[in-house]
Amino acid sequence: EAGVVQSPRYKIIEKKQPVAFWCNPISGHNTLYWYRQNLGQGPELLIRYENEEAVDDSQLPKDRFSAERLKGVDSTLKIQPAELGDSAVYLCASSTGQGVNSPLHFGNGTRLTVT
Amino acid sequence: AQSVTQLDSQVPVFEEAPVELRCNYSSSVSVYLFWYVQYPNQGLQLLLKYLSGSTLVKGINGFEAEFNKSQTSFHLRKPSVHISDTAEYFCAVSEIGRNTDKLIFGTGTRLQVFP
Repeated sequence: EAGVVQSPRYKIIEKKQPVAFWCNPISGHNTLYWYRQNLGQGPELLIRYENEEAVDDSQLPKDRFSAERLKGVDSTLKIQPAELGDSAVYLCASSTGQGVNSPLHFGNGTRLTVT
Repeated sequence: AQSVTQLDSQVPVFEEAPVELRCNYSSSVSVYLFWYVQYPNQGLQLLLKYLSGSTLVKGINGFEAEFNKSQTSFHLRKPSVHISDTAEYFCAVSEIGRNTDKLIFGTGTRLQVFP
């Protein structure tokens, strides 16, 4: 099966510019996650979708971050405007949503550098 | 709230030597426990998980981990490492009963295997 696909792999932007990341989950996976991984840290959950509904966005900085999953399949994560501290790897993951019996499958991530 | 502590940020080891990567957790409720591996420039991949039953869990690539409830630990071990095991290893927990999909990750341990 094809894995979780993320694009772009790398993105370099100047601060105050907007940026968007795209994720296509594994076919049939209803649950989609966006994680942020700062350098030297573990991933931290930003938002979790079940189909098209955001069921946990408590960690998403809503003043500048937004996400959507309009048709319950692929998803985009946007930052506007970007700040220096947003430099990180943004990971997308998907699962069938059956709790711990459904492991998360991660994409290779988008490495964002804000200058 | 849960937290995960990985005591060693880096573990250097020679090929064919045994290795142990330490993980301790803190939680007011019972948890599920996981180990993920991240190879350079890739997403995270599930190594193994503890849900219930036998406290010794075997995973992929010859790794195993032992759940110790009294010490709130879930250390990862391999009796003989290979060069290809060089990667970042993350311990993670999720809460039993609710939000089981929400993983809390440790800061990671970089395993460096030398020839």
